[in-house]
Amino acid sequence: EVVLTQSPGTLSLSPGDRVTLACRASQSVSSNFLAWYQQKPGQAPRLLIYGASTRATGIPDRFSGSGSGADFTLTISRLEPEDFAVYYCQYWETFGQGTKLEIK
Amino acid sequence: QVQLQESGPGLVKPSETLSLTCIVSGGSINSYYWNWIRQPPGKGLEWIGYIYYTGSTNYNPSLKSRVTMSLDTSKNQFSLRLSSVTVADTAVYYCARPSVAGRFDFDSWGQGTLVTVSS
Repeated sequence: EVVLTQSPGTLSLSPGDRVTLACRASQSVSSNFLAWYQQKPGQAPRLLIYGASTRATGIPDRFSGSGSGADFTLTISRLEPEDFAVYYCQYWETFGQGTKLEIK
Repeated sequence: QVQLQESGPGLVKPSETLSLTCIVSGGSINSYYWNWIRQPPGKGLEWIGYIYYTGSTNYNPSLKSRVTMSLDTSKNQFSLRLSSVTVADTAVYYCARPSVAGRFDFDSWGQGTLVTVSS
């Protein structure tokens, strides 16, 4: 079973900052099945990225994903106020534990 | 755009069976893997399992002994039963569908329903 470890657990940032979130798998995985989600309080997760680097429908281009093998990243080029949320990576049935972006 | 809606009791007693239904609208249930995912309060996401439109299932090994999923194509809905619940099963339960048949990233989610296990 693949284990996904996200880092850091929490990040305190300001609007306009650039941020990169990490997701490390316990073994090499196919990037075809690596996804990223955003979740805000009281809402269902929202698909941001699939196939490690393809933005889902309607996702702004400030969100980008990259990586291969066991190491993947989600980058937000310039944080907007609505981007402060929890982010999860996923590989098949496994989710990472999440990274929380909070306003500094 | 497909829409998913969970329904079921919000309170279940310990040792009893949790039962939820996900109603699918705006699309047919006759394709895709139909999933249940849960999230304990303040915690992360846990995949419970899926049922394929053919009726085949795949469950999280940690829950497999207690989980049963079924689908009703005539009503365009699928269901989750989780037996012998404990307080650890308290969570928001989501139904979800992959964005494309054959993939496993979920672009369609229900709004979630909180199920509390308490006497």
